[in-house]
Amino acid sequence: DTEVTQTPKHLVMGMTNKKSLKCEQHMGHRAMYWYKQKAKKPPELMFVYSYEKLSINESVPSRFSPECPNSSLLNLHLHALQPEDSALYLCASSLSRESYEQYFGPGTRLTVT
Amino acid sequence: GIQVEQSPPDLILQEGANSTLRCNFSDSVNNLQWFHQNPWGQLINLFYIPSGTKQNGRLSATTVATERYSLLYISSSQTTDSGVYFCAACIFADKLIFGTGTRLQVFP
Repeated sequence: DTEVTQTPKHLVMGMTNKKSLKCEQHMGHRAMYWYKQKAKKPPELMFVYSYEKLSINESVPSRFSPECPNSSLLNLHLHALQPEDSALYLCASSLSRESYEQYFGPGTRLTVT
Repeated sequence: GIQVEQSPPDLILQEGANSTLRCNFSDSVNNLQWFHQNPWGQLINLFYIPSGTKQNGRLSATTVATERYSLLYISSSQTTDSGVYFCAACIFADKLIFGTGTRLQVFP
């Protein structure tokens, strides 16, 4: 089973709200990723976790705060977002950093009002 | 960093037609993946193909790593093939760089 799940599917939040996105996989993968995709653009890497440690932060603003509580779970905490942060947020996982095939979840469509 | 370019940007086909999508990359890669993004945003893995040729049903892919390109072939296209096709490549572990995509529309 190559399934990555994400919740919620859709999220609408105000600029002063705090919310979290959740990603889960039960494939035994040890690398997990967050990507951001704006409309009609390709996905862009935000963060990489390897063995529950943050290994790459692509200069993402601090209003996005990732967390990896265990090897199956990845969260993205959102605070004081701007309307331009509205996008599809995709989570992915791979067996390890050295195993390159990545599997993606269905995404969370975020709207910031 | 690595550049990934795809062509054509848009493709309109009638059901049953065949097509070839191209992906060029600017450096040697350790990973090359093809994805289909459906209208709901889900990225579906089609092929993991850093080199060589693979086939899966009506789809096949070839990567010529020494010449830095990959091709995705779709035969006997169906309306359910519509969506955006992305290739993505990386040199170092983790950092997958996506091309700009080919938007495919298949009409009955």
